[in-house]
Amino acid sequence: DAEITQSPRHKITETGRQVTLACHQTWNHNNMFWYRQDLGHGLRLIHYSYGVQDTNKGEVSDGYSVSRSNTEDLPLTLESAASSQTSVYFCASSPGLAGGYEQFFGPGTRLTVL
Amino acid sequence: DQQVKQNSPSLSVQEGRISILNCDYTNSMFDYFLWYKKYPAEGPTFLISISSIKDKNEDGRFTVFLNKSAKHLSLHIVPSQPGDSAVYFCAASASRGGSEKLVFGKGMKLTVNP
Repeated sequence: DAEITQSPRHKITETGRQVTLACHQTWNHNNMFWYRQDLGHGLRLIHYSYGVQDTNKGEVSDGYSVSRSNTEDLPLTLESAASSQTSVYFCASSPGLAGGYEQFFGPGTRLTVL
Repeated sequence: DQQVKQNSPSLSVQEGRISILNCDYTNSMFDYFLWYKKYPAEGPTFLISISSIKDKNEDGRFTVFLNKSAKHLSLHIVPSQPGDSAVYFCAASASRGGSEKLVFGKGMKLTVNP
């Protein structure tokens, strides 16, 4: 069955370290998204991609970067982790305009920055 | 500026009764609306959607109503079941503008008591 996976599921790191969160989908979806979920803020968009080599900033992109070298993967990198980036991170994908706007979410990665 | 608002953080109902979850939006460009359900330690899952060309969409126990003039939508769950206890997110997209992003509300926690 097609799916979207995230790894690791839990990560503890120290301030200043570089961290990369993986996202892999097997639906062959064009669109991929990264969100963070924080109490009182809901889901906020970090970065998104509409296809290979395409990346765009979301509303809370500072301190994060992404790259899209193939259809299946959109890794999220925290260049220098900060305590404010402690959060739960969700990756999602969607088919694109022709296939619908519904996004399918991964199980999440809980990141703690000490 | 919050474009999608879920003003009530929580709702508690008895099993078998109706649950009504509300959502307001401010961006008149939004033309596609979705509801997601999220259990703890899991990613959000798509529940139901509605296009702005409709004012109602029904799927089993779930019905979404859209009032474009009031920029308001609601999700009705009838009858409510304990398994419906979760956090519900309202989301919107401005598809006519070519955007495939979703803007999410902050979520509302529904508790259905046996």
